[in-house]
Amino acid sequence: QKEVEQDPGPLSVPEGAIVSLNCTYSNSAFQYFMWYRQYSRKGPELLMYTYSSGNKEDGRFTAQVDKSSKYISLFIRDSQPSDSATYLCAMRSGGYNKLIFGAGTRLAVHP
Amino acid sequence: NAGVMQNPRHLVRRRGQEARLRCSPMKGHSHVYWYRQLPEEGLKFMVYLQKENIIDESGMPKERFSAEFPKEGPSILRIQQVVRGDSAAYFCASSPPGQGTYEQYFGPGTRLTVT
Repeated sequence: QKEVEQDPGPLSVPEGAIVSLNCTYSNSAFQYFMWYRQYSRKGPELLMYTYSSGNKEDGRFTAQVDKSSKYISLFIRDSQPSDSATYLCAMRSGGYNKLIFGAGTRLAVHP
Repeated sequence: NAGVMQNPRHLVRRRGQEARLRCSPMKGHSHVYWYRQLPEEGLKFMVYLQKENIIDESGMPKERFSAEFPKEGPSILRIQQVVRGDSAAYFCASSPPGQGTYEQYFGPGTRLTVT
């Protein structure tokens, strides 16, 4: 079993839709949770960072962490064609700096 | 502000040759991480370095791979005697010293092709 599970998609939605992206994990020691966006043949770009459980909002993006269920989510409101990319969840334990990534979900937002 | 810089962006090597990948962290950052991304897979941690020190190399293959981050100059990921299975995108990330180490910023990557 992988430490971090993420549905690879692809996920195709119309412009303006609300997008929900999710990851589950097995290691209860994870405390820091991140979402990265990666455009084709580019480096990952940090979108959201959350510590422990709770919600964090930044513009059209909302990150949620439910440690009791070992489940994290990223919501994108009013999705745009420019949001079309692969979204990677990542997480780490408190004492360790290495990030453990999900496989990434490919998102396509069509006009 | 320059971000994380990696070069070369594309590298082609024949089987048995050596590959050298370079990474210059963001200004003010002293922590460097290397990750590998195979086609259709997520990123896999390889090694974490600070200046002149390897902190965690738990993701590095036991043979042929090495990394360094000297006092002066970029971090180097070296792959000796490359094989076709080494073909992948290699990403470097950096973070500042101190309490902000959880935010890792990635470079554009080096795409290695072994023929």
